[in-house]
Amino acid sequence: LAKTTQPISMDSYEGQEVNITCSHNNIATNDYITWYQQFPSQGPRFIIQGYKTKVTNEVASLFIPADRKSSTLSLPRVSLSDTAVYYCLVGRGEYGNKLVFGAGTILRVKS
Amino acid sequence: DVKVTQSSRYLVKRTGEKVFLECVQDMDHENMFWYRQDPGLGLRLIYFSYDVKMKEKGDIPEGYSVSREKKERFSLILESASTNQTSMYLCASSSLAGYGETQYFGPGTRLLVL
Repeated sequence: LAKTTQPISMDSYEGQEVNITCSHNNIATNDYITWYQQFPSQGPRFIIQGYKTKVTNEVASLFIPADRKSSTLSLPRVSLSDTAVYYCLVGRGEYGNKLVFGAGTILRVKS
Repeated sequence: DVKVTQSSRYLVKRTGEKVFLECVQDMDHENMFWYRQDPGLGLRLIYFSYDVKMKEKGDIPEGYSVSREKKERFSLILESASTNQTSMYLCASSSLAGYGETQYFGPGTRLLVL
């Protein structure tokens, strides 16, 4: 299973763009990259998923370089409510292939 | 919207008790998962199931068992609770949709074993 490495924590201010980078050097050809968000006392929530290049949805963007050995989650104009733990996962998620959650990145947004 | 529900938000049990944690999903998902979450350790997979009556061990199955008699329901059993099983337990489900599965999580059960 591909191991991921993320920063332990990051601080930001309201209105700024936040970029969280995840390293996954041994990603396999068929692996997808998925990001989850978790608030205190809640289960993780899916944010975005991609395979290569760039993916954008109403919440975030995901940038994946050509070698796919890293990925960057970009949160535009964060607010206090974006304070959470962000997890990067790599895997296929198909039958018998479980995803692995790392320790995640604690993002603190300040006013 | 996918809904994953767990039987209790908070639970207090005594050492040696048998504990049942139940999880129900309403989206006809094939896969279901049990994780535990502890400070600084992220989420660790205990067991998962890809079909009724099927189960696979995750990373930390010791001291736990599971049951999946119906597609929508996945139970986690602590055969004899111990204090080191005090944790947040999270259930998740996903569809067997080929590549790029998305897991949907329940709200979690915070278990305290005294």
